[in-house]
Amino acid sequence: DTGVSQNPRHKITKRGQNVTFRCDPISEHNRLYWYRQTLGQGPEFLTYFQNEAQLEKSRLLSDRFSAERPKGSFSTLEIQRTEQGDSAMYLCASSPSGQGRQPQHFGDGTRLSIL
Amino acid sequence: RKEVEQDPGPFNVPEGATVAFNCTYSNSASQSFFWYRQDCRKEPKLLMSVYSSGNEDGRFTAQLNRASQYISLLIRDSKLSDSATYLCVVNRNTGGFKTIFGAGTRLFVKA
Repeated sequence: DTGVSQNPRHKITKRGQNVTFRCDPISEHNRLYWYRQTLGQGPEFLTYFQNEAQLEKSRLLSDRFSAERPKGSFSTLEIQRTEQGDSAMYLCASSPSGQGRQPQHFGDGTRLSIL
Repeated sequence: RKEVEQDPGPFNVPEGATVAFNCTYSNSASQSFFWYRQDCRKEPKLLMSVYSSGNEDGRFTAQLNRASQYISLLIRDSKLSDSATYLCVVNRNTGGFKTIFGAGTRLFVKA
């Protein structure tokens, strides 16, 4: 399977715990994006990388959230001190560069539930 | 007001019907446009890019009207399998790059 891969598929944790999600993009794509989606809403942009550089961060990405893409391949999204409002689907997407004109391809997502 | 707005629906149509969705965007600097479909509890999947001249892919036709700042999606001869949420997506690159999704329009096609 050469699509975008996300792990884990589901994560259940208690409030206050830290969680980390992983995304492996399509191998030839140098852009990688993170989104959060809650029920009944479209995905909300969190951040994106061009290779290893994090070029944009939404104000939705509070100081409890951090994302990395150290070698320009896979990326991790960490949420520290989780809160119930963090419960959502976290989606990763990738695309070739092309000044934003290339469509993004999504992984299956990680569904986070905070107890 | 949201930057990308869609009628949430739901649209309930019989098989074989033609249905159209509109999406409006507020930032005139928006540069690229897409339609995605999303099935329940699944990831969004690209349906089609939207080009200035309009484009067609089988039963699906997309149009862009930059002057009025809206895009549309027309589905002809609806199939049961077209039942999904259709997401309008806009990319802009002013004040930083950002991708904005609409909240989606739900479509139910019934036999």
